[in-house]
Amino acid sequence: QVQLVESGGGVVQPGRSLKLSCAASGFTFSSYGIHWVRQAPGKGLEWVAVISYDGSNKYYADSVKGRFTISRDNSKNTLYLQMNSLRAEDTALYYCAKESYGSGSCDSWGQGTLVTVSS
Amino acid sequence: QSALTQPASVSGSPGQSITISCTGTSSVVDGYPYVSWYQHHPGQAPKLILYNVSKRPSGVSNRFSGSKSGNTASLTISGLQAEDEADYYCSSYTSSKTVFGGGTKLTVL
Repeated sequence: QVQLVESGGGVVQPGRSLKLSCAASGFTFSSYGIHWVRQAPGKGLEWVAVISYDGSNKYYADSVKGRFTISRDNSKNTLYLQMNSLRAEDTALYYCAKESYGSGSCDSWGQGTLVTVSS
Repeated sequence: QSALTQPASVSGSPGQSITISCTGTSSVVDGYPYVSWYQHHPGQAPKLILYNVSKRPSGVSNRFSGSKSGNTASLTISGLQAEDEADYYCSSYTSSKTVFGGGTKLTVL
């Protein structure tokens, strides 16, 4: 079955960097776009970024544009999110999610990895 | 502030039907067929329950249905059950950007 496992979260100081990973299995990773979505404590879901199946197209939310970079390694079935210049407002549970149905909808999600930005 | 507005909370009794609205600003919803709905139980991964406004993924109960009129999409849950108590989010995919609504907490009384 489809499995997405996020890792790399932790506590980091404002202004520092962190790189998240999402290991995928149970499907043909190289055939699907993948999203990062986050949820700040007590808040709703917020879309962060998406990368196309082959990595040729990448799009970002305005709140992270210029600071975050999404990438993928299809040979390793792994998605990444490089987060630079972190701010307190980036504190959240970060999910990776597999796109499906060609409509931007995500039919499979990981359990998330927690990022806390605090001094 | 989200470009998609949902009521903060709705409630209903077991067996009843409820509807959650999702109203978009400008053209976020109107004219775009890519509206999805997610169910999110705290501590679990979100679950896709509707895509393309009204289509159900395999395995999702037919008690969940969706519609869209103008810039407002709606999720209807019929025959409410205790396990339906969760947070519900709409989302719209436009021009390679996805937007989520603020979420609606459904309480089953």
